[in-house]
Amino acid sequence: DQQVKQNSPSLSVQEGRISILNCDYTNSMFDYFLWYKKYPAEGPTFLISISSIKDKNEDGRFTVFLNKSAKHLSLHIVPSQPGDSAVYFCAAHASNFGNEKLTFGTGTRLTIIP
Amino acid sequence: DAGVIQSPRHEVTEMGQEVTLRCKPISGHNSLFWYRQTMMRGLELLIYFNNNVPIDDSGMPEDRFSAKMPNASFSTLKIQPSEPRDSAVYFCASSQGSRDLNYEQYFGPGTRLTVT
Repeated sequence: DQQVKQNSPSLSVQEGRISILNCDYTNSMFDYFLWYKKYPAEGPTFLISISSIKDKNEDGRFTVFLNKSAKHLSLHIVPSQPGDSAVYFCAAHASNFGNEKLTFGTGTRLTIIP
Repeated sequence: DAGVIQSPRHEVTEMGQEVTLRCKPISGHNSLFWYRQTMMRGLELLIYFNNNVPIDDSGMPEDRFSAKMPNASFSTLKIQPSEPRDSAVYFCASSQGSRDLNYEQYFGPGTRLTVT
């Protein structure tokens, strides 16, 4: 039962354009969402997060949007740069977990074309 | 800070052998997580410790898997006996365990396990 879904395994975007990565979830108890970025042969690193009480959070070129009614969040990267080529994981924390557990999606491989 | 340290980085073993993966969390972090990454399931949480105590082991696949955290600076994940389907990348992560820190977890570089 995949509670966090990233339905696009891969995405290719031209350098300078906007990259949009999507994530859907099913658990209405999720109260915090995070995006992680992973390069080959490295561990995931935290990128940006958003609380369920907000609908947008921005950090430089990265913006995360949350649509609670649709149970959908997206990560926008603009402008996209070659260094953004990586696998991006969406993760969520549920208030009913009672702990720090995060549920991760399967990831989307983003390739930025120079 | 050296970050989360995992060893070995690569492990190749034969089916039936015991495998032990090691993790040193970031100093001062009180929560430690073991994950397994596969293409089909992405990052799966196997087990989570807080203050060296296992809090959630619901992700541990079966009795062949066990994890320990004897002190705040060391944890092991053991597979005995190993099977080819255990082949995956295993990550250890640690956190300071506070909502004020946005549940951010810091990951190690992973151990790539291949069971033949």
